[in-house]
Amino acid sequence: DAGVTQSPTHLIKTRGQQVTLRCSPKSGHDTVSWYQQALGQGPQFIFQYYEEEERQRGNFPDRFSGHQFPNYSSELNVNALLLGDSALYLCASSSTGVYGTSGSMQYFGPGTRLTVL
Amino acid sequence: AQTVTQSQPEMSVQEAETVTLSCTYDTSESNYYLFWYKQPPSRQMILVIRQEAYKQQNATENRFSVNFQKAAKSFSLKISDSQLGDTAMYFCASFREETSGSRLTFGEGTQLTVNP
Repeated sequence: DAGVTQSPTHLIKTRGQQVTLRCSPKSGHDTVSWYQQALGQGPQFIFQYYEEEERQRGNFPDRFSGHQFPNYSSELNVNALLLGDSALYLCASSSTGVYGTSGSMQYFGPGTRLTVL
Repeated sequence: AQTVTQSQPEMSVQEAETVTLSCTYDTSESNYYLFWYKQPPSRQMILVIRQEAYKQQNATENRFSVNFQKAAKSFSLKISDSQLGDTAMYFCASFREETSGSRLTFGEGTQLTVNP
C-alpha cells in the first residue's frame, strides 16, 4: 500500500519564477492538504482540496494556488517566487466521509524542499 | 482560530530515562483532536499519538503517553525509556474540522535530544 508521495524531492528556483509541486495521496484517500514549513518552525496550513475544489485556505496570498485532479492527486503552484517562500512543502492526505468530515487522520508525504535564490 | 504553544524549544534526556514535553492550546471548538508528531532529520512527519477531546482517558501508545487536561487546555507528551531513535523535533498540533474542511494547527516544536 503506497503512502503519500511528493515530487520533486528538492527544487531550486530564482526570485520571480513559478514552481509546481505535486502530491499523490495514500490509496483510498480523496482529500489533500498542503502545508508550508519554514526552517525551524512548525508547518503552516496553506489549503485543502476535496472533489477538485479548494475547501479551506490558510493565510497565504493568491500567489499560492492549487489544483486537484479526478484521480485525487494534487498540485501546488507558487507564482512570483520570493526568498521567503524557501521552505519544506508538505502534502497530507485523508479520507472525507459522507458527512464531509475526514475523521482527523492526515498522513504526510516526505515533502518537497524548495530553495529560492 | 486555534493556537498551539510549545514553550520548550529544546530538551535533552539520557537514554532510558523519562522526559515530558509540554503543550498548551486554545480553541473554541467543543470537539477536536490533539496530536503529537515526530519529525526526525529526514523531515518525514510521523504521527506519535492522538487524543480525542471528548475522551477523558489519556491516550497511550507503547512508550508514549499523554497527560490531557481539557480544562487547563494542556496536552503534554511523556516518553518513557527514551531511546536514541527518539531524537527528533516534536510538534504538538490541534485539529479542527468543519463541514467546509479541516486543518491542523501546529506549535513551534521542541527539539528533543536523547544522549547515550
